[in-house]
Amino acid sequence: ILNVEQSPQSLHVQEGDSTNFTCSFPSSNFYALHWYRWETAKSPEALFVMTLNGDEKKKGRISATLNTKEGYSYLYIKGSQPEDSATYLCAFKEAAGSARQLTFGSGTQLTVLP
Amino acid sequence: GAVVSQHPSWVICKSGTSVKIECRSLDFQATTMFWYRQFPKQSLMLMATSNEGSKATYEQGVEKDKFLINHASLTLSTLTVTSAHPEDSSFYICSARSLAGSAQETQYFGPGTRLLVL
Repeated sequence: ILNVEQSPQSLHVQEGDSTNFTCSFPSSNFYALHWYRWETAKSPEALFVMTLNGDEKKKGRISATLNTKEGYSYLYIKGSQPEDSATYLCAFKEAAGSARQLTFGSGTQLTVLP
Repeated sequence: GAVVSQHPSWVICKSGTSVKIECRSLDFQATTMFWYRQFPKQSLMLMATSNEGSKATYEQGVEKDKFLINHASLTLSTLTVTSAHPEDSSFYICSARSLAGSAQETQYFGPGTRLLVL
């Protein structure tokens, strides 16, 4: 069983604060690392697919970095807004296995207070 | 981005009944669909992978006779929870992908179905 961990489990920040959270995953057999944003009662929305060590991706105020050698990825949100409130999921895909399924972390629940 | 719908969003049923959940890719053809289950405060756990026109592949510990999966077309997969019991109460969510093989390919998720078995 693959171990994908996210920290913190939950986070409250004030509007305008910048924040970041962590996803740790196995450092061997890496294929890809996915980040999703999941708002209540909606579908998880794909944010980033990261494949190369040292990758940095950005979408508006949200960015992510990847370190496959040590097995972690950071997600950063700059100037948090209330609409950023959601659960942020990471999912690891390993190179072995024919289906290359996603193994999910349990998520970081972000609440941005106005 | 691609849209995946899931129906119903909520279902309450009596113990012993069967429940069917539909997952549709609305604007792309999904060669592969995935079914996940999530218990409270836990991560999404893959139940099975289905490829259009072939039998689903179930993860260890998931009873294939209990959770029937049909992927008869490139836009529709169904999950039937047969003879549901209270311990089957959970959140079920599907995802779909169009093509495998690229490291950049992603999965698109439906909004999920919350099942409560009384």
